[in-house]
Formats: sequence, structure tokens, C-alpha cells
Amino acid sequence: GAGVSQSPRYKVTKRGQDVALRCDPISGHVSLYWYRQALGQGPEFLTYFNYEAQQDKSGLPNDRFSAERPEGSISTLTIQRTEQRDSAMYRCASWGGAPPEAFFGQGTRLTVV
Amino acid sequence: TQLLEQSPQFLSIQEGENLTVYCNSSSVFSSLQWYRQEPGEGPVLLVTVVTGGEVKKLKRLTFQFGDARKDSSLHITAAQPGDTGLYLCAGPNSGGGADGLTFGKGTHLIIQP
Repeated sequence: GAGVSQSPRYKVTKRGQDVALRCDPISGHVSLYWYRQALGQGPEFLTYFNYEAQQDKSGLPNDRFSAERPEGSISTLTIQRTEQRDSAMYRCASWGGAPPEAFFGQGTRLTVV
Repeated sequence: TQLLEQSPQFLSIQEGENLTVYCNSSSVFSSLQWYRQEPGEGPVLLVTVVTGGEVKKLKRLTFQFGDARKDSSLHITAAQPGDTGLYLCAGPNSGGGADGLTFGKGTHLIIQP
């Protein structure tokens, strides 16, 4: 596709369940970012990849959060043993273009009940 | 990680008024970008400023990059209700984005008709 695609758009899960959020970036973009965004706030950095290499995961809140991008394209953000405080909009962005800019997906709205 | 501080956090003004929002950092950025985000959507790039002292205009929006490349401002002339949204500044940590992209917390702008 032409843009960044995220799935699912909405996810409601019970506390304690694991969830996997998917991001399909713009083809050819090297860098892929994961952000978490609270309502009315700017994106909070979680982690990012160059190709398949995770360059920085300092923004991941704790060890229940992990991300991978095994073939340097699609990425998955996994949250294990979800807690209510994990409820948020999770956004993926790929970086590219000339001049470069961040292209955001529609996000996944995660609700933990 | 370099931090970007945006001010004000919230701003509500009447249609036709002028306003300025600010993005400040103690760090030097190779460039800064301004994004606008509407409810339910991801941020969309408005402009990139690269050179210290640079001024760019986008219709009624004027963007300026500080001489020392540590700050930027967005000035809106004769604001319209359609300008309502979350305005975010962002900058690459180093290497033009390959080492991470930092966002400010945003300025939530409401233009009252």
C-alpha cells in the first residue's frame, strides 16, 4: 500500500492477556518507529528499528513490552500480560522520503478491561 | 534523548486572532519539523526547517528556526476554526532521523468561531 498500515485498528483485551500489534511501513523505508499516544498528547517514543535491527528500546515501559522487525519490513509490538495502564493509542511511523519525514499509520486503539 | 518543550500546552482563541506557539530545546537539532494532528488521525507533516534563522511560510502559517537551531516557532495569522488541532514539533536526535525521532508533547489549539 501507499501508506503505513496498522492492524488491528481497535483491540479490546482482558487484563492478563497478550496482544500483538502489527505495523506495515511504507515500502523501502529503512526506519520504523513505535509510539504510544495519550489523548491530546504528543507521541511518546517506545522503540525504533533500522532495517531489522532494533536501535533503541529505551522507551519501552517495562519488560512486558517487546518489538521485532525480523525481515526489515513489517514490525510487531507485543505486550504480554496486559494491564489496564497499557490502554492507549499505539502508533507506528516510518521515516523516509525526500526530504525525510515521519509517516504515521492510523494507529491501534488498545483497551485493556 | 534530546527533549523538545512545547508551549503553551493548550491555547483557545477566537477566530481572526493571531497566535504563536513555541518549541524549545537545550540541544541543537539538525532540523526540526512541525506536524499537525487532527482527532482520530496520525500526525501529518506541515514543514521542515533546516537552516538556523530559516523562515518558511505556508499560507497563514509562518515557521521559524532559531539561529542556534535549538528552538522553533509557529505563528498563525488570522486563525480559522479549521486550524484547530494538536501541533507537534519533532526533531531527529542525530544523523537525520536514523538515530531516533523525538516529538514534543504538543500544543493543543482550539479556534472558536
